[in-house]
Amino acid sequence: EIVLTQSPGTLSLSPGERATLSCRASQRISSSTYLAWYQQKPGQAPRLLIYGASIRATGIPDRFSGSGSGTDFTLTISRLEPEDFAVYYCQQYGGSPLNFGQGTRLEIK
Amino acid sequence: QLQLLESGPGLVKPSETLSLTCTVSGASISSGSYFWAWIRQPPGKGLEWIGSVYYSGFTFHNPSLKSRVTISLDTSKNQFSLRLTSVTAADTAVYYCARHGDPTANLGRWFAPWGQGTPVTVSS
Repeated sequence: EIVLTQSPGTLSLSPGERATLSCRASQRISSSTYLAWYQQKPGQAPRLLIYGASIRATGIPDRFSGSGSGTDFTLTISRLEPEDFAVYYCQQYGGSPLNFGQGTRLEIK
Repeated sequence: QLQLLESGPGLVKPSETLSLTCTVSGASISSGSYFWAWIRQPPGKGLEWIGSVYYSGFTFHNPSLKSRVTISLDTSKNQFSLRLTSVTAADTAVYYCARHGDPTANLGRWFAPWGQGTPVTVSS
């Protein structure tokens, strides 16, 4: 079973700043890039942002970017907008079970 | 536009069976290439994949839930369902349904779209 560890647990930044979120896998993910990122706002379902480690889902602004392969992955938000403050989860789909990380809360400083 | 909507009781007694249904609109669950999944989120916690079903009836699920999970399809109603037996307070969560791809069809197993979620409380 692949365990995903996200860091930091909470990230406090201001609008306009750059956010860097990390997701580390306990073992190499199959095909190296079978990783997705989601955004979840309070009271809402998660929304897919990135799949294939770096491919933006339909309708996702280009300030969101993903990178990494193997065991280390990063979600970067280049310039934070007020609507970007939320919880972010990574998910691996290289093996079963289809696990999520525990989440990073991005809060307004 | 593909949409998913969960439904079912919001309150279940301990030791009983939780039953939820996801109604799919905008696509046929019989069309292949995609799995239909259940995911849950306990209050204030993260996401846990429960299991997935294919149009053929093939299922796979999270071993953490052992043999308590059954996921099935009703193609005539374009719905799929979750049954979770012997529930305890630890099963209290918001339950989401979602779709993911079939790797044999070169589609990845990321989840999109999601239903809005339905809260379930286990309590006597």
